[in-house]
Amino acid sequence: GESVGLHLPTLSVQEGDNSIINCAYSNSASDYFIWYKQESGKGPQFIIDIRSNMDKRQGQRVTVLLNKTVKHLSLQIAATQPGDSAVYFCAERGAAGNKLTFGGGTRVLVKP
Amino acid sequence: GAVVSQHPSWVICKSGTSVKIECRSLDFQATTMFWYRQFPKQSLMLMATSNEGSKATYEQGVEKDKFLINHASLTLSTLTVTSAHPEDSSFYICSARPLRRGVTQPQHFGDGTRLSIL
Repeated sequence: GESVGLHLPTLSVQEGDNSIINCAYSNSASDYFIWYKQESGKGPQFIIDIRSNMDKRQGQRVTVLLNKTVKHLSLQIAATQPGDSAVYFCAERGAAGNKLTFGGGTRVLVKP
Repeated sequence: GAVVSQHPSWVICKSGTSVKIECRSLDFQATTMFWYRQFPKQSLMLMATSNEGSKATYEQGVEKDKFLINHASLTLSTLTVTSAHPEDSSFYICSARPLRRGVTQPQHFGDGTRLSIL
């Protein structure tokens, strides 16, 4: 069932600093992982993905790290900007599956 | 690229009304689309997987007769909330994954439909 009134963990970061958002995933058989950014009233926006045969992948100002040993995924945002303020979700896909399972989300607030 | 359009973005209607939401992939084809539901300050919960030309696959606890899904083409899936009641009020979001052989593709999301049932 769905819980009501969950409080999203919040990361407050100073503009220009680096942000690190963490995610623990549950399925050791998951083979594909994605980070999404969701702004208020909008759908999730793709940021970066990584396959399970990699442990690091870099994009523009973002880096995803995957530690399969402890089932941990992180998103690093360099030089965080006000436009980075949003809720960030990690998602995992089970092996040979279509479906994504989303994490609970982290709210990032960028202070000017 | 990989734009997904969802319509309408906002619906308010009376209890008992049926509401249809459209999800279109604008610049790619998708044999599979997905429908999610999201409550305030919560994560996305998958409701069903929409398969082009065949029946949708519903997640446990989602009533297929309540949430009718049709995926008649490679660029369009629709979700109809039948006889909607206030407890169906939520943010409904669709996604689609580009069809490309041999390459893992992420799901791309529409901007959601906020459904309010009075």
